[in-house]
Amino acid sequence: DAKTTQPNSMESNEEEPVHLPCNHSTISGTDYIHWYRQLPSQGPEYVIHGLTSNVNNRMASLAIAEDRKSSTLILHRATLRDAAVYYCILRRTGANSKLTFGKGITLSVRP
Amino acid sequence: DAGVIQSPRHEVTEMGQEVTLRCKPISGHNSLFWYRQTMMRGLELLIYFNNNVPIDDSGMPEDRFSAKMPNASFSTLKIQPSEPRDSAVYFCASRQGGHPNNEQFFGPGTRLTVL
Repeated sequence: DAKTTQPNSMESNEEEPVHLPCNHSTISGTDYIHWYRQLPSQGPEYVIHGLTSNVNNRMASLAIAEDRKSSTLILHRATLRDAAVYYCILRRTGANSKLTFGKGITLSVRP
Repeated sequence: DAGVIQSPRHEVTEMGQEVTLRCKPISGHNSLFWYRQTMMRGLELLIYFNNNVPIDDSGMPEDRFSAKMPNASFSTLKIQPSEPRDSAVYFCASRQGGHPNNEQFFGPGTRLTVL
């Protein structure tokens, strides 16, 4: 399975945009890019997913490089509540394919 | 919507004892997942069910672990006998059918400590 590479950690300031990078140089044409996050002492929660085109939802935006070898999760205005571990995951097409969580990137938000 | 419900939230037991973790998925969801999270190994998928049928149990560490889903609204993960290395947070998640890209909804987890 293709793997993702994320920095270990990142810091941001409250109310500023945050760009969380993810490299996936061995991605295949049928791999979807999923992002989940895990707030302290909670279970993970879904953020966004995409295949080729950029995606927006109420939580974030996902920018996917044209060659699909990297992507960026964008939080438009970070809040203290956005401090969490963010996981970038590749999911292969298939009814029974699964999500494989890596170590993620720990985002800290300064007030 | 109550979300995914797990019980107990915390469990402390002694080595050798049987442990049963419980999960109630979101009503209408037909896929259910059991994960384990430790500092060393991160978040690992143990087993998942579609329509109450186990689809992939390749993540179940050994025969001491077993999982059942007798109906669409209930699942158990049992460890017998438990060992200290089983100490972890166990998460249950459910997903609505229709497409595997549908989001997984996670429960609050059960923190298991085996002494």
